[in-house]
Amino acid sequence: NAGVTQTPKFRVLKTGQSMTLLCAQDMNHEYMYWYRQDPGMGLRLIHYSVGEGTTAKGEVPDGYNVSRLKKQNFLLGLESAAPSQTSVYFCASRPGTGTEAFFGQGTRLTVV
Amino acid sequence: GESVGLHLPTLSVQEGDNSIINCAYSNSASDYFIWYKQESGKGPQFIIDIRSNMDKRQGQRVTVLLNKTVKHLSLQIAATQPGDSAVYFCAETPSQAGTALIFGKGTTLSVSS
Repeated sequence: NAGVTQTPKFRVLKTGQSMTLLCAQDMNHEYMYWYRQDPGMGLRLIHYSVGEGTTAKGEVPDGYNVSRLKKQNFLLGLESAAPSQTSVYFCASRPGTGTEAFFGQGTRLTVV
Repeated sequence: GESVGLHLPTLSVQEGDNSIINCAYSNSASDYFIWYKQESGKGPQFIIDIRSNMDKRQGQRVTVLLNKTVKHLSLQIAATQPGDSAVYFCAETPSQAGTALIFGKGTTLSVSS
């Protein structure tokens, strides 16, 4: 049981480039989340999904897009990367009942 | 906007002491309040939660207290061990935002032997 897997683990982008972060979970969870973590800022919610085909904006959605075409996958896209998007990104999933979310290992993204 | 936050960014204790980590929240409508632990280089891990209609819940070596009058949440760790060194976050599930899971800024707990 792999849990929540994020791909890639590290990435360096140039300003203006685009990329997609992939989150995959094998626990059949309904809810999935994307967060960014910056020093002193805690975890801030970017977007989340309550089921296949649905997405919702979180606290800091600007500059990001998401898609959940399959229940097990939640993709985070950066269309035109900016240095302000340099951060560690975490994906999480949790079942439809309960509050225990399971997190991936994180993706460290640097935009130069 | 409404948010979940923590009183102190750092807390240092001696091994064997009891630790108390505090959190102030502003969203009175949240259904659940949750504590997560994040070790260096890893994603956060669930510790314990408490529903908004409760004021105390105990787990293994941990107790969460909820004071809705002053909008305060605390995590008590008994007999703190070096392995408890981590960043601790409180989080909430705002009922008006459905299933969103919102985190506070975190407290770094350092345990010395």
